[in-house]
Amino acid sequence: GAVVSQHPSWVICKSGTSVKIECRSLDFQATTMFWYRQFPKQSLMLMATSNEGSKATYEQGVEKDKFLINHASLTLSTLTVTSAHPEDSSFYICSAYRGEQYFGPGTRLTVT
Amino acid sequence: AQSVTQLDSQVPVFEEAPVELRCNYSSSVSVYLFWYVQYPNQGLQLLLKYLSGSTLVKGINGFEAEFNKSQTSFHLRKPSVHISDTAEYFCAVSHGGNAGNMLTFGGGTRLMVKP
Repeated sequence: GAVVSQHPSWVICKSGTSVKIECRSLDFQATTMFWYRQFPKQSLMLMATSNEGSKATYEQGVEKDKFLINHASLTLSTLTVTSAHPEDSSFYICSAYRGEQYFGPGTRLTVT
Repeated sequence: AQSVTQLDSQVPVFEEAPVELRCNYSSSVSVYLFWYVQYPNQGLQLLLKYLSGSTLVKGINGFEAEFNKSQTSFHLRKPSVHISDTAEYFCAVSHGGNAGNMLTFGGGTRLMVKP
């Protein structure tokens, strides 16, 4: 139990376009989901906390207008990177909280 | 504020040798402590966690860790490593009423097991 999926697992997009990443808790409901960003050979940095039915809470330095987070249901949160640029290329990982954080497999975004 | 320091960015070790990955934390309140493993291009998998009780915690894949409050440490150990243990290991801390909520991660330690 406690499986979290992410879709897509990898995506390549052109600079200036937007890309949406989905995070789903497959066998449990999660009122809280987290979005992390991980650059190569670095640790996970929390971007935002997503609560079902309310606005996400963004960490300092994360542009909320660029990284749109929607938590429309207890099993789905989405992260949309708007007007992506090459510096947004990274590994994005979500987690769903139910007593502890359960992590998704990550999405590798490459912006060309 | 809390922080986590993983003292070694890389740890090379030969197969079947013991290994210790070090983790120190700073926090002004009681904490919950976690170790995660990340294989290339994958998410994080929980190895073990300390919430309360016995300070020696056993996890999956033969790993264990010991919580030392006086030294504010939570070092991860394995008596005999395998090639398949090659991965990135992250120590994390959370505090407050909900264990696992609002994690702060260390910088990670890359364990490289050599034949």
